[in-house]
Amino acid sequence: DGGITQSPKYLFRKEGQNVTLSCEQNLNHDAMYWYRQDPGQGLRLIYYSQIVNDFQKGDIAEGYSVSREKKESFPLTVTSAQKNPTAFYLCASSIGQFAYNEQFFGPGTRLTVL
Amino acid sequence: AQTVTQSQPEMSVQEAETVTLSCTYDTSESDYYLFWYKQPPSRQMILVIRQEAYKQQNATENRFSVNFQKAAKSFSLKISDSQLGDAAMYFCAYRSLLMDSNYQLIWGAGTKLIIKP
Repeated sequence: DGGITQSPKYLFRKEGQNVTLSCEQNLNHDAMYWYRQDPGQGLRLIYYSQIVNDFQKGDIAEGYSVSREKKESFPLTVTSAQKNPTAFYLCASSIGQFAYNEQFFGPGTRLTVL
Repeated sequence: AQTVTQSQPEMSVQEAETVTLSCTYDTSESDYYLFWYKQPPSRQMILVIRQEAYKQQNATENRFSVNFQKAAKSFSLKISDSQLGDAAMYFCAYRSLLMDSNYQLIWGAGTKLIIKP
């Protein structure tokens, strides 16, 4: 079955540690996205990538980093510079970057900073 | 900048009845896409329905339909014959067709829909 997988489902981090969230898709999609979801708010875009080896900052990129070395993979690193990292993180992909392209979402990772 | 507003944090409906979720948006653009996404307790975000602004006809997908009022910048979602499986958070989202927007989705804060058996 084609889809998007995110791991782990739950992640706990101590303050000052970097952690990496995994996102893999087998849909052969060119574009991939990372969103952050906080209670009572809509999703906010962290980073997106339209093609391998290229990515762009979204609205809240500070304290996060990404890489796109393979088409299937778009890992997100939450660095110690992110002041309030506890949140739910969603990865998405779409066949292309254009407005009419539907974004498909993974099941998410819940990150908690202890 | 575009904004999306969902003024109902929570709605409840009796099973088998009809419910309408509200969404308004602000934009100066004439063409764009609007979406309704569903996020059930599993938290997997699922596309429910999409509407392109230049199309006059309201989109429908089985029990889900929209009332798109372009002049009023309103995009409400109607769920007919509500089922227990419809219980979820519902998000309205806007997407520009302009390249300099990078086609980002702009999201509302969501409406929690409760289905009463």
